[in-house]
Amino acid sequence: EAQVTQNPRYLITVTGKKLTVTCSQNMNHEYMSWYRQDPGLGLRQIYYSMNVEVTDKGDVPEGYKVSRKEKRNFPLILESPSPNQTSLYFCASSFQGVGQPQHFGDGTRLSIL
Amino acid sequence: AQTVTQSQPEMSVQEAETVTLSCTYDTSESDYYLFWYKQPPSRQMILVIRQEAYKQQNATENRFSVNFQKAAKSFSLKISDSQLGDAAMYFCAYSEEGGADGLTFGKGTHLIIQP
Repeated sequence: EAQVTQNPRYLITVTGKKLTVTCSQNMNHEYMSWYRQDPGLGLRQIYYSMNVEVTDKGDVPEGYKVSRKEKRNFPLILESPSPNQTSLYFCASSFQGVGQPQHFGDGTRLSIL
Repeated sequence: AQTVTQSQPEMSVQEAETVTLSCTYDTSESDYYLFWYKQPPSRQMILVIRQEAYKQQNATENRFSVNFQKAAKSFSLKISDSQLGDAAMYFCAYSEEGGADGLTFGKGTHLIIQP
């Protein structure tokens, strides 16, 4: 089954404790991206990647890191999480570029205390 | 920067009726894509419909159709014969043709279906 898999689905942690949210897709997609969703703000892009070893900042990259060492994986790293990063996070992928339909993961709910 | 505006935070419709969700956007580009995504309580993001700006014909997917007015920069979603399963947040989104930047989303419209 074609899918984008995010882990964990839920996480409660404390300020400053490094965490990684994994994202994996099995569709051989070149384009992958991360969004955060906050009430009243819709979804905003954090980082995106056009292909392996190619990543770039989105609209709200501060406090986040990403890597794209393999085509299928695109982890989101919070080196020193803070409470303002409490949010719902989505990973998405498409074959090429953002103009094509995006396949979204099921979301990761992060709470930073 | 492109912006997407959904002016209706919440809409309510009777089951089996028709409802239209509004979306306007701002761009200086001539080639772009527009989308409607549905987010049910399960919080999955589900693509409802996609419109290519160079196509004048309005996209349709079963009970879902759009009214794309390029000059007015308007992209409304019409849901016919509303069903209880249509209850969700609906997000309008924009992307540039060939762009790598992500989708620009509106803030969403919460659709309530009254039985």
